[in-house]
Amino acid sequence: GAGVSQSPRYKVTKRGQDVTLRCDPISSHATLYWYQQALGQGPEFLTYFNYEAQPDKSGLPSDRFSAERPEGSISTLTIQRTEQRDSAMYRCASSPEGGNTIYFGEGSWLTVV
Amino acid sequence: GESVGLHLPTLSVQEGDNSIINCAYSNSASDYFIWYKQESGKGPQFIIDIRSNMDKRQGQRVTVLLNKTVKHLSLQIAATQPGDSAVYFCAESDYGGSQGNLIFGKGTKLSVKP
Repeated sequence: GAGVSQSPRYKVTKRGQDVTLRCDPISSHATLYWYQQALGQGPEFLTYFNYEAQPDKSGLPSDRFSAERPEGSISTLTIQRTEQRDSAMYRCASSPEGGNTIYFGEGSWLTVV
Repeated sequence: GESVGLHLPTLSVQEGDNSIINCAYSNSASDYFIWYKQESGKGPQFIIDIRSNMDKRQGQRVTVLLNKTVKHLSLQIAATQPGDSAVYFCAESDYGGSQGNLIFGKGTKLSVKP
């Protein structure tokens, strides 16, 4: 697509429920990133993919968080047993192979109540 | 939508003036630096980048300066316009910028008075 697309844009869930966020990167972009951004803060790295490989997931806060990119294009971020502290903006970004510029999506705003 | 910037340092400038936004980074191994602009309700947008083998890079109306000695990065915006109002983040990487972990700074809110 023309830009990085994320869905849903807004999600309200009850504590303890699982949520899955979706990212559709820019077409043909090899690298896909997930970031978490709290209000008034810069994005914080969660994990990234090179095609379907996931070289670094060191930023995932706990084992309740997981990400997949099984076919090297669309990616999902799943949070199991959500907690209130998971409430944040989750941003996906992508970059072309060998490219430096990272393009961010509009984000998915998660609220856990 | 989100309300970014509630607790951020704020820089207020008059339209037409030049703006300078500063950023200190911590990792001496970082070799790639980027400035992002984030408007309310939107994702960060790439402005300009610089590698550690340079100390200055110019774009359209923007200049990034890198001082590796004191680990300081600045973004200069010439003839600031109301459309420049946003939160500005610096980011650093020690992977050459092509992949991996970008570390973002705390951000500065730029407010342009007409």
